Amino acid sequence: EPEVTQTPSHQVTQMGQEVILRCVPISNHLYFYWYRQILGQKVEFLVSFYNNEISEKSEIFDDQFSVERPDGSNFTLKIRSTKLEDSAMYFCASTDLGGNSPLHFGNGTRLTVT
Amino acid sequence: AQSVAQPEDQVNVAEGNPLTVKCTYSVSGNPYLFWYVQYPNRGLQFLLKYITGDNLVKGSYGFEAEFNKSQTSFHLKKPSALVSDSALYFCAVRVSLGNTDKLIFGTGTRLQVFP
Repeated sequence: EPEVTQTPSHQVTQMGQEVILRCVPISNHLYFYWYRQILGQKVEFLVSFYNNEISEKSEIFDDQFSVERPDGSNFTLKIRSTKLEDSAMYFCASTDLGGNSPLHFGNGTRLTVT
Repeated sequence: AQSVAQPEDQVNVAEGNPLTVKCTYSVSGNPYLFWYVQYPNRGLQFLLKYITGDNLVKGSYGFEAEFNKSQTSFHLKKPSALVSDSALYFCAVRVSLGNTDKLIFGTGTRLQVFP
C-alpha cells in the first residue's frame, strides 16, 4: 500500500537555526497538510496546500513557517529561525479527493530544538 | 466552532472485554467524523469514518463506531479487546470553509489493554 514518507525521522537543531522537514506524499494525492504534535498530546493543524498554494493556515503557522512543493513529488516545511517551543513531532499528510477522504499520515519527524 | 471532545485521557480494559472510547462533537450542519489510531513513534492510522448512511460504521482491526445524532456522539467500540490494541486514539471532525478542508482532532485517549 502506498505510504507517505517523511525524512529525517529525527532532527536536532539549535535555537535560531533553519530547518527543513521533508515529505513525499502518495503520488496521486492532491491535497497536502502539515500537523504537529507536542509530547504525544493533541494533534494540531498547521497548514493545508492544494494546487501549489496554501489553502489555509493556522495561527501557529506564522511568518517563520513556509511550505513548498518544489518538484511535484516533495512537500517541505521550513522553519526559518527555530524556537525552543517548536520542538514537536511534525506530521505530513495527504489525500486524493479532499473532503470525505481520510488523510494518510507519514510517521513524522521529531524536531528537537536546543 | 466545529470541534470534537474526548472526555477520557485514558481507558483501561482487560483483554477479551469490550471497549469503548468516547467522542462527542460540535458541528454546524452534517458532521463528517473520523477515528485514527497512533502507535508509539508512528503516524496516525485511519480506522474508520462516518459520512452518511448507517449509524454503525465498521473499520479496521475489528473496530466500529456508532454515530448518535441526538447525543452528538461518535464512540469507538470493539467487542473483544486485544493487548495489541493498546495505543493512542484520536477522534476527528472534518471542517470545511470555502474551498479549504482539514481535520480537527480531539485531545486523544490512551487505551491500555491488560492481559
